[in-house]
Amino acid sequence: ETGVTQSPTHLIKTRGQQVTLRCSSQSGHNTVSWYQQALGQGPQFIFQYYREEENGRGNFPPRFSGLQFPNYSSELNVNALELDDSALYLCASSLAWGRDSGANVLTFGAGSRLTVL
Amino acid sequence: DQQVKQNSPSLSVQEGRISILNCDYTNSMFDYFLWYKKYPAEGPTFLISISSIKDKNEDGRFTVFLNKSAKHLSLHIVPSQPGDSAVYFCAAFNAGNNRKLIWGLGTSLAVNP
Repeated sequence: ETGVTQSPTHLIKTRGQQVTLRCSSQSGHNTVSWYQQALGQGPQFIFQYYREEENGRGNFPPRFSGLQFPNYSSELNVNALELDDSALYLCASSLAWGRDSGANVLTFGAGSRLTVL
Repeated sequence: DQQVKQNSPSLSVQEGRISILNCDYTNSMFDYFLWYKKYPAEGPTFLISISSIKDKNEDGRFTVFLNKSAKHLSLHIVPSQPGDSAVYFCAAFNAGNNRKLIWGLGTSLAVNP
């Protein structure tokens, strides 16, 4: 059973550029969530995808967008990068949300650290 | 507005003693709470959870206590081991609000040999 893998692990961009981060879900998981973790902060929910559709979104502007593919892998795209976008971006996979304890557990990847100069 | 608060940014305990990490929340609609542990350069890993219908959940050395009236939960680690040194995040789940986890800022635990 493979865990969640993210790529790239580190990258540097300049203001105004665009970035795509990738995530492969854990085997058997059908839901993907993306989180932004700034230095010294807890993870902040960006959005969640289930069955290739966004089904939950946090307080992030539309220049943060995503995709989920039929194999449940996912991409996070950020356009018009700003300095404050510098953070660790975490992808997490899970089974579809529900009240059962197992369905609520997220399995995280190691993250992609983005630096915007 | 921080809905999940971990007011202690760091905690240091001796190996073999009890570690108690605290978490407070403001949203009474939260119905599920989780603790995650994070080592440097790794993603958070799930540790233990508790439903709002319970007041205690135990898994080996880890026990989570929930006091709904006080909107407070705590994670107890007994006995603490050096390998427990990590950042611990408390997170809460609101099934009626975008189904998103709300996270605290984390508490960095150092267990000294």
